Amino acid sequence: AQKVTQAQTEISVVEKEDVTLDCVYETRDTTYYLFWYKQPPSGELVFLIRRNSFDEQNEISGRYSWNFQKSTSSFNFTITASQVVDSAVYFCALSEAYGQNFVFGPGTRLSVLP
Amino acid sequence: DADVTQTPRNRITKTGKRIMLECSQTKGHDRMYWYRQDPGLGLRLIYYSFDVKDINKGEISDGYSVSRQAQAKFSLSLESAIPNQTALYFCATSDLVAGGYQETQYFGPGTRLLVL
Repeated sequence: AQKVTQAQTEISVVEKEDVTLDCVYETRDTTYYLFWYKQPPSGELVFLIRRNSFDEQNEISGRYSWNFQKSTSSFNFTITASQVVDSAVYFCALSEAYGQNFVFGPGTRLSVLP
Repeated sequence: DADVTQTPRNRITKTGKRIMLECSQTKGHDRMYWYRQDPGLGLRLIYYSFDVKDINKGEISDGYSVSRQAQAKFSLSLESAIPNQTALYFCATSDLVAGGYQETQYFGPGTRLLVL
């Protein structure tokens, strides 16, 4: 069975600090996909990134970076020089390659204080 | 215009009432999903549909029903609403890419439902 754990329920940082959001997953499949979504206070779910299990290259997009490590079943998300606009709930999700649905973690609420 | 739309965006109803939430998409995806979000629980799958003739129950389907009227439309009904169905409801779409691999899910803006 699939499972996604986000152990950090809430994180607070001061603006310009770096912050890492943890995601640990469980799956029996050898081919799967991992995702991060952002849910700002307005409520919509915004897709941030998708990573295939066969591609362990880390990715950087502006102030965002993702560290995928199959050895520890982790897909962590780092925001560099955080900004108030980064305040949101962030969800990690897993989909098996031919899976019928996605499994979401419980989310991490990030508060960036000015 | 948004690729995935949901109506209504907000709804207040009373216990025992029947209510329908609608979802439309212009992405041309075959797969559509309904989730509910409760604080601290993330998103939980209610129903999903892989095409017009394929409807499947998700993790928490009791008390809900769905209708896939067309490839682009997927409706969620609460036959007799109860207060613990108060939640934020999301519709999502996805598709299979070449090779049969699951593509990214894209979400509608959500419907906030309050059952009194």
